[in-house]
Order: sequence, then C-alpha cells, then structure tokens
Amino acid sequence: DVQVVESGGGLVQPGGSLRLSCVVSGFTLSGSEMNWVRQAPGKGLEWLSYISSSGSTIYYADSVKGRFTISRDNAKNSLYLQMNSLRVEDTAVYYCARRAPSNYFDYWGQGTLVTVSS
Amino acid sequence: QSALTQPASVSGSPGQSITISCTGTSSDVGGYNYVSWYQQHPGKAPKLMIYDVTNRPSGVSNRFSGSKSGNTASLTLSGLQAEDEADYYCSSYTRSNTQVFGTGTKVTVL
Repeated sequence: DVQVVESGGGLVQPGGSLRLSCVVSGFTLSGSEMNWVRQAPGKGLEWLSYISSSGSTIYYADSVKGRFTISRDNAKNSLYLQMNSLRVEDTAVYYCARRAPSNYFDYWGQGTLVTVSS
Repeated sequence: QSALTQPASVSGSPGQSITISCTGTSSDVGGYNYVSWYQQHPGKAPKLMIYDVTNRPSGVSNRFSGSKSGNTASLTLSGLQAEDEADYYCSSYTRSNTQVFGTGTKVTVL
C-alpha cells in the first residue's frame, strides 16, 4: 500500500522558520517527481513547489519564491520544505503529492497544519 | 499564475447529472491535455478523479467523466449520489512547467 506522511507542522511566529518533511512508502521516491501543495483554512488548493526525481529541476510559485526551499533525500525516501520568513498568510494545511509523468497528482499525504501567528 | 475559474457551487438532486466548468487560458488548459480533477471531502486530502482530461484512475466510478473544449475543461457527474457531495478542484499543467489549480466548486446533493 502507498503511504505519504507529512510532519513538521505547528505554530510559529511571523518571520519564523519551519521545516516540513514527507516520508513515502509503497513507491520509489527516487523515480518520482514530487510537489508541495497547500490549502489555507476554508480556501482552495494552491500549488507551491515542484522537484524532479533527481532534484536537478525545481520550480516555485511566486507566492513562496525566495522564502521556501524544496529538497529531497532519495536514500531516506523523504521530501522536505524549508519555510523561512513565514507570514500570517502562510497559515495552511501543507500537502506532499507525487506528480505522475502526465502532470497529475496521484498520491497525496494527509497534510500537516502550519499556523503562523503571534 | 492565476487560478483557473470554477463556479463556486453546483447542486443537483440524486440521480441527476451536473457539470462543473474550469476555465483557463491557452497557456494552461487550452494548451495541453493535462487537465486533472480532484474530489475533496471535509478534512480529507484531495483524491484524483480524472487525469489527462478524460481518463479515470482505477477504482473511480464511471459516473465521473471529463472533457475539454478550447480553454475550458468540464467534469460531469452522472447519477448524482449523496456521497458525491464534496469540493471539486481542477488542475492544469502550465506553459511555465508549473501547475495551477481551479478556484474550487462545492457540490451539494439536494
């Protein structure tokens, strides 16, 4: 069975940092393109970042470019999102999702909640 | 990248059919056959329902179907059931090699 499990969320003050992790099982992370997607409370889905299977290609949404960094450790079957200079508007549930070759998200985690508040 | 445009809400009675539209531009929906649809129940992760405009993953009911014309994609739910009540999001690959989601549609079964 495929499992995608995010962790690392929590309460952080504006301007602070947080590192999210995503551990997968049931498929090979090293052969997978991965993404982070978030959903603010009561709002829609927002794509944040993409990383290729090798880690050589990375893309970010304008809303997080320069503040967030996506990375991966294939040996640990893990994906990461380093979030710096956090803002109140970054409050959301953050999902890790695999992107299939045809550019759709087939496996999702259950999400981890990040709350940015003073 | 602006979000794709979806109606905020769509409703129908059990057994009826409803259609949700998803409008983008030639840089996303209109430019590629890489439109996907996701169902999300409250408090749950999104679930893939349609990919590559018209394809259903294994296990998804054939009551769900997708199509596209120009810059607008559509998701049709036939034989509406109570369990279909959820939020639905479209998504498209973009010319910038990124992804964009739709604004989301709340489906209510009357």
